[in-house]
Amino acid sequence: QVQLVQSGAEVKKPGASVKVSCKASGYTFIAYYMHWVRQAPGQGLEWMGWINPNSGGTDYTQKFQGRVTMTRDTSTSTAYMELTRLRSDDTAVYYCASGPISGGLDYWGQGTLVTVSS
Amino acid sequence: QSALTQPASVSGSPGQSITISCTGTNNDIGSSNHVSWYQQHPDKAPKLLIYDVNKRPSGISTRFSGSKSGNAASLTISGLQAEDEADYFCCSYAGSVLFGGGTKLTVL
Repeated sequence: QVQLVQSGAEVKKPGASVKVSCKASGYTFIAYYMHWVRQAPGQGLEWMGWINPNSGGTDYTQKFQGRVTMTRDTSTSTAYMELTRLRSDDTAVYYCASGPISGGLDYWGQGTLVTVSS
Repeated sequence: QSALTQPASVSGSPGQSITISCTGTNNDIGSSNHVSWYQQHPDKAPKLLIYDVNKRPSGISTRFSGSKSGNAASLTISGLQAEDEADYFCCSYAGSVLFGGGTKLTVL
């Protein structure tokens, strides 16, 4: 069955960076885009961007441009999302989710809680 | 881009039907056939209910249906069940992915 398994919770200080991994199994990794979506405590979903695992091409929403980098390792079917210059309002659960470029995200990781606190 | 607009909460009794609206603009919902809906229970990952306005993924109950008119989309849940109590998010793609603010559904 399809699974997206994310790395564990992280606690970071303001100004630091975090890198979250998402290991895919049960489907052809390069066949679907990998999106990253975050959810602050008690808040809604916020789309961060996607990576095309086949080409490595990316698209980031303007809010995160310059701070986010999405990469992938096709040999291990793993996608990564790195966020730099962390602030307290980056505290959120970060999800990876696979699907077409147009959304319709049918498989989600379990989420990774990133806490930014001094 | 601002989030799509959803009502903060809706409620209904078991067996009833409810509709959740999602309002956007000409630049998102109005120009896209890629509207999707997600259900999220507390402390769980979102689950895809509807994609491309009105298509259901395999395994999703026919009680869930989607539609779109102009700059607004809707999710209808018929035959409301206790397990439907959750948060619901709409989403559109028109060059960029945009989520709604979410609607909390309470089953009375």
